[in-house]
Amino acid sequence: EAQVTQNPRYLITVTGKKLTVTCSQNMNHEYMSWYRQDPGLGLRQIYYSMNVEVTDKGDVPEGYKVSRKEKRNFPLILESPSPNQTSLYFCASSLRIPTYEQYFGPGTRLTVT
Amino acid sequence: DQQVKQNSPSLSVQEGRISILNCDYTNSMFDYFLWYKKYPAEGPTFLISISSIKDKNEDGRFTVFLNKSAKHLSLHIVPSQPGDSAVYFCAASGGANAGKSTFGDGTTLTVKP
Repeated sequence: EAQVTQNPRYLITVTGKKLTVTCSQNMNHEYMSWYRQDPGLGLRQIYYSMNVEVTDKGDVPEGYKVSRKEKRNFPLILESPSPNQTSLYFCASSLRIPTYEQYFGPGTRLTVT
Repeated sequence: DQQVKQNSPSLSVQEGRISILNCDYTNSMFDYFLWYKKYPAEGPTFLISISSIKDKNEDGRFTVFLNKSAKHLSLHIVPSQPGDSAVYFCAASGGANAGKSTFGDGTTLTVKP
């Protein structure tokens, strides 16, 4: 089954404790992206990757890091989480660029206390 | 500067009637527009898209119209069904930064039986 998986689905952590949210796709997609969704603010792009070893900032990259060492994986790293990073996070992938439909993961709900 | 706006946070229609969801954009460099649907506790799923070289695209009950001069697009759902009740996001991409994807804030559609 073609899918995007994210782990963990739910995470409660404390300020400053480094964490990683994993994202994996099994569709051989070149393009992957991370978004956060906050109430009333829709989806805002954090980082995206056009291909392996190629990443770039979205609209809200501050406080986040990403890496793309393999085509299928695109982890999101929060080196020192803060309460304003409490949000719902979605990973997505598409064949090449986002003019192609993006396939989204189920989401990761992160709470930073 | 919000480049993609969905000015109606919510819309309620009767089953069998037409639902019209609207989206406005400011960046004339956008050349591809997509609509996604999102149910609670799930990731968004692709619904329909349109390229800037077209003014209409149809897929079953769903039609998207693009008015480039007004920088406006709309999604028509006819006839509306209770299962269409969800949050609908408009997204835009393209132009100088092909990897960026900009979403609107979403419109919550409720279709009443």
